[in-house]
Amino acid sequence: GNSVTQMEGPVTLSEEAFLTINCTYTATGYPSLFWYVQYPGEGLQLLLKATKADDKGSNKGFEATYRKETTSFHLEKGSVQVSDSAVYFCALSLYNNNDMRFGAGTRLTVKP
Amino acid sequence: GAGVSQTPSNKVTEKGKYVELRCDPISGHTALYWYRQSLGQGPEFLIYFQGTGAADDSGLPNDRFFAVRPEGSVSTLKIQRTERGDSAVYLCASSRQGGTQYNEQFFGPGTRLTVL
Repeated sequence: GNSVTQMEGPVTLSEEAFLTINCTYTATGYPSLFWYVQYPGEGLQLLLKATKADDKGSNKGFEATYRKETTSFHLEKGSVQVSDSAVYFCALSLYNNNDMRFGAGTRLTVKP
Repeated sequence: GAGVSQTPSNKVTEKGKYVELRCDPISGHTALYWYRQSLGQGPEFLIYFQGTGAADDSGLPNDRFFAVRPEGSVSTLKIQRTERGDSAVYLCASSRQGGTQYNEQFFGPGTRLTVL
């Protein structure tokens, strides 16, 4: 079936550290890939997306590249801030499939 | 309002009772989705509406769960004979249109349901 596996947390980093959160997917067909973020007390928000192989999604200093050969969509940020503390979800969606398949989420805590 | 709203924000009920959870999508969005998020897990798809009709209800776990969207805007998720295992955060999302993975889904803050 179609599914997403992402790096287990929690992840704790110091401010200005480099962040990687791994995400791999299994899908029949060619999915679009997403990273959603959930800040404390708030709803899920789309962080970035990529709709085809080799696309790079980017937003707020975060980046992820759609790698078809490794079925991956790892999230990276060069220098994290305390305000980046949140839970990050990797997700996929297939054409004509209206349900998003989410990973279990990775909690990131950034300490000053 | 500008975003998706859900009421109530918290609901505590007893095993066996009936509950209704409400979702107000973003104005003009034709597609509406319900998800369930258990503790420590990602959201899990329940049902998708395009307009007034349920276009895909394959995620509903059993016949105790039912959802309606009679006028193509507000939706209500209904759970009969609640069980402790139904305890979760129920998320609603809407998008400008459905039928394609390119449309961004905007999520509400969720309703936390606790079944005692």
